[in-house]
Amino acid sequence: SYVLTQPPSVSVAPGKTARITCGGNNIGSKSVHWYQQKPGQAPVLVIYYDSDRPSGIPERFSGSNSGNTATLTISRVEAGDEADYYCQVWDSSSDHPGVVFGGGTKLTVL
Amino acid sequence: EVQLVESGGGLVQPGRSLRLSCTASGFTFGDYAMSWVRQAPGKGLEWVGFIRSKAYGGTTEYAASVKGRFTISRDDSKSIAYLQMNSLKTEDTAVYYCTRDRGTVTTDAFDIWGQGTMVTVSS
Repeated sequence: SYVLTQPPSVSVAPGKTARITCGGNNIGSKSVHWYQQKPGQAPVLVIYYDSDRPSGIPERFSGSNSGNTATLTISRVEAGDEADYYCQVWDSSSDHPGVVFGGGTKLTVL
Repeated sequence: EVQLVESGGGLVQPGRSLRLSCTASGFTFGDYAMSWVRQAPGKGLEWVGFIRSKAYGGTTEYAASVKGRFTISRDDSKSIAYLQMNSLKTEDTAVYYCTRDRGTVTTDAFDIWGQGTMVTVSS
């Protein structure tokens, strides 16, 4: 089955740029979506189709996807960005097509 | 306001059944696919399954871990999606989220999420 690999944790100082990666075999050929989940809350879609932002999501959030790595970039990080982030794709390549989530990355704002 | 509200969670014994409901408001429910996603305590997100809109046949797809035990259905007249869970196992213990799925034939991004409902499977 298809596997998405994320670093368990990323730390960044306020005002700096955070990059959270999502690795998968030829992930550049798939559409990647990203979710932010704060403690005790439901996830929120922050990036879809690799780099599109839903309405209401700050421009500080951006995404890219190429080769074997998709990346969520958060510029000018704020304390309120501290959360878990998950990448997601639809995988049709295996015997059992379905949605695959990465394991999640905990973003800590120092 | 676009909103999804889950209900029906609770404590259930292994082997028993439970049905979750997801009531939608603020959008034309019948135009959208709906997905269920769960999250075990302290763990990551796991997709459970989805149901296409009637325009795409209203058919379903499931994760391998629940196929044959769980069934997703929808009542567009009431704007409700259901998750029927049978033969529950302790590893099904999780918060279950209902989501609005941007997809049509396959799933896409989940752009609206409910607040989640906790299901605990324990004797």
